[in-house]
Amino acid sequence: GAVVSQHPSRVICKSGTSVKIECRSLDFQATTMFWYRQFPKKSLMLMATSNEGSKATYEQGVEKDKFLINHASLTLSTLTVTSAHPEDSSFYICSARPTGGRGFREQYFGPGTRLTVT
Amino acid sequence: DQQVKQNSPSLSVQEGRISILNCDYTNSMFDYFLWYKKYPAEGPTFLISISSIKDKNEDGRFTVFLNKSAKHLSLHIVPSQPGDSAVYFCAASANTDKLIFGTGTRLQVFP
Repeated sequence: GAVVSQHPSRVICKSGTSVKIECRSLDFQATTMFWYRQFPKKSLMLMATSNEGSKATYEQGVEKDKFLINHASLTLSTLTVTSAHPEDSSFYICSARPTGGRGFREQYFGPGTRLTVT
Repeated sequence: DQQVKQNSPSLSVQEGRISILNCDYTNSMFDYFLWYKKYPAEGPTFLISISSIKDKNEDGRFTVFLNKSAKHLSLHIVPSQPGDSAVYFCAASANTDKLIFGTGTRLQVFP
């Protein structure tokens, strides 16, 4: 149980285009999902916290107009990188916290999406 | 400012021996610590956690030790197995849902 999927796993796009990444909790409902970004040999950096039916909360330094997050259902959150540039190339990972789960800090991670902007 | 640090990027241990992965933190407000294991092309999976009110938590082959005065925690794996080869992240939380991750340590267990 507690599987989180991400789609696509890899995407290459041209500079200036937008890319949407999906995060789904497959066998549980998640009121809260998190989006992380990982640079090579760096830690996972929290970008934003996404709550179903409400606006996402962005971490300091993360441009909300560039990284659009939508959490329209209890099993799906999407991250759209708008007008992507090469510096947006990174590994994006989502996680989902089960609604009423065993621990409020419990998070299940997706496999990640490798974004390359050319 | 890296609040959670894993100063050893890699560790190599023989099968059957003990693996010790270290993690240091700077924020005294952290009250909960977690260890995650990550295989290539997969997301991190939860391994073990510890609350700041404890100094040790054990789960099978995995034990986490917390030294609050030194702001240091460690993960002990004994006996180490080849299947333990992965990247290990420590993470910390300050009474919120937000997790602050370290940079990871790549563990290789060889026969």
